[in-house]
Amino acid sequence: GENVEQHPSTLSVQEGDSAVIKCTYSDSASNYFPWYKQELGKGPQLIIDIRSNVGEKKDQRIAVTLNKTAKHFSLHITETQPEDSAVYFCAASKGSYIPTFGRGTSLIVHP
Amino acid sequence: NAGVTQTPKFRVLKTGQSMTLLCAQDMNHEYMYWYRQDPGMGLRLIHYSVGEGTTAKGEVPDGYNVSRLKKQNFLLGLESAAPSQTSVYFCASSHSGRGNQPQHFGDGTRLSIL
Repeated sequence: GENVEQHPSTLSVQEGDSAVIKCTYSDSASNYFPWYKQELGKGPQLIIDIRSNVGEKKDQRIAVTLNKTAKHFSLHITETQPEDSAVYFCAASKGSYIPTFGRGTSLIVHP
Repeated sequence: NAGVTQTPKFRVLKTGQSMTLLCAQDMNHEYMYWYRQDPGMGLRLIHYSVGEGTTAKGEVPDGYNVSRLKKQNFLLGLESAAPSQTSVYFCASSHSGRGNQPQHFGDGTRLSIL
């Protein structure tokens, strides 16, 4: 089955810096890659997603890049703010409804 | 529009007790899922459902049962709770539209088994 590795497990940055979280996947047939943000005491919420026919997608300070050849995708957050502090999960799926999740990255943005 | 609602939000059980966690969604989604979240383990799929009256096992189904009698509800049962089932449980739902669709999560049920 699909295996998703997510790194780093913890990321600490200063406010205003950029943050990058990377995920690799094992199944070359995977074609959908969502990213979720989980705030303390809440459930994960979708923040951005990308499909395999696109190499990059942006939404304000957030961007996701996909390298199908290398089988990895990354979340980029620019100009980080304290409210970006949360746990971020990547996931991968392939034409089915069952995604495989990474183990999460705890992002801490220091004011 | 409430999205995905989980009840209860918190519960403490004694070993051997039973309980049912309720998940309700108002988005008319076909697919529903139950996950457990433990420190450092990410989200692990317990059971899922692709439609009313159908359920299937996920990655960690042992000790749990589920039912989906109505499209909007997905119930997770613990027949005889064990300390290893102490966790945060999340319900999610998604649309069955063409191609993959994102999941919508509830805010979780925090369950402690003593």
